Amino acid sequence: SQQGEEDPQALSIQEGENATMNCSYKTSINNLQWYRQNSGRGLVHLILIRSNEREKHSGRLRVTLDTSKKSSSLLITASRAADTASYFCATDTGRRALTFGSGTRLQVQP
Amino acid sequence: EAGVVQSPRYKIIEKKQPVAFWCNPISGHNTLYWYLQNLGQGPELLIRYENEEAVDDSQLPKDRFSAERLKGVDSTLKIQPAELGDSAVYLCASSFTGDEQFFGPGTRLTVL
Repeated sequence: SQQGEEDPQALSIQEGENATMNCSYKTSINNLQWYRQNSGRGLVHLILIRSNEREKHSGRLRVTLDTSKKSSSLLITASRAADTASYFCATDTGRRALTFGSGTRLQVQP
Repeated sequence: EAGVVQSPRYKIIEKKQPVAFWCNPISGHNTLYWYLQNLGQGPELLIRYENEEAVDDSQLPKDRFSAERLKGVDSTLKIQPAELGDSAVYLCASSFTGDEQFFGPGTRLTVL
């Protein structure tokens, strides 16, 4: 079963614009992670935010976490065509196993 | 550093046939995961190993799926017999800390 739900399911933007993806989940978590998957490839870890953190940055990525609303957002600033991929949020409830959402498919038009 | 290696990358079989997937995790990673990913969906955990022990296999359909991780390094996932609904991508991942997971490229299985 999918714990997280990403919104939107698909997003198309122009190069240079910002992309925002949201994730909602159902149960208490230890941490929340975001992964990227290029077509036909494995997943690549982007960023991890722990339940006691509210915001985290990594390069052009900004992640927020609101545990009271059980939601997270991923912001990609100044997007590039190479950012075209599917993005998944994944939650760890302390079992050392991740439960993934269904993903947001991002298309960045050059 | 070599990443997670999976083979084969693609497999096409007839229904009711057996199939096996192999995974070699990153050296030193004690935790190994097998996930199933259906088209347009996120991965779903099948089984998690800590060294050679399967510590979470609650989502593994044990009537037809089996897995092993002898010697606590590489792992094999088997389906016997395969059904049409097993067509999916099978992903292997490994982790050292239990937080960040490193994924292999996956094996795309097509059951005809």
